[in-house]
Amino acid sequence: QVQLQESGPGLVKPSETLSLTCTVSGASVNKNYWCWLRQSPGKGLEWIGCLSNNGNSKNSPSLQSRASIAIDTSKNQFSLSLSSVTAADTATYYCAREFGYKDPFDVWGRGTMVTVSS
Amino acid sequence: DIQMTQSPSTLSASVGDTVTISCRASQNINAWLAWYQAKPGRAPKLLIHKASSLETGVPSRFSGSGSRTEFTLTITSLQPDDFATYYCQQYDDDFPYTFGQGTKLEIK
Repeated sequence: QVQLQESGPGLVKPSETLSLTCTVSGASVNKNYWCWLRQSPGKGLEWIGCLSNNGNSKNSPSLQSRASIAIDTSKNQFSLSLSSVTAADTATYYCAREFGYKDPFDVWGRGTMVTVSS
Repeated sequence: DIQMTQSPSTLSASVGDTVTISCRASQNINAWLAWYQAKPGRAPKLLIHKASSLETGVPSRFSGSGSRTEFTLTITSLQPDDFATYYCQQYDDDFPYTFGQGTKLEIK
């Protein structure tokens, strides 16, 4: 059974970089696409981007300049960095797997709430 | 961006009822549509992909239909565990991937 678990600080200051990690169990990050999404309070789900270990990436144009995804095969983890955060980046952040290039998100983590505030 | 519009935003129903949730895409996405079930504090769950293909392990009371711009999710014989929020998502080639705003299914 594939499981994903997000981790990281729950509070980030404005203008700083938000950093989250997703730990994968039951699957290898050497395969598939590994993705991040978020949901702001009272709003819908927003896709941030996906990365495969062979370097294929796809990113939301609205966040592409600030968001970066990386894969760590030694720890079977992947991460999200989101720079220059503002209050608008306050959200529950989810990691998820996209099995292939044009597939839905078949496995998700439970999400982690991140608040941007001084 | 492709806009996904779900209706209704809230739906009240009773155990045993049949309900239908609609999802409209702002442009043709063929059948590149998924449906998810979300509950607070839990990982969202993929129910249906390619508009009508049921994920392994998902009860057959869930079904999806539609193509191009109009899609529906139908749940027959509602069970207590089905009361949740449902989202549609398009995953066509046209990035970004986008979601509907969600339909909250409540117990009447």
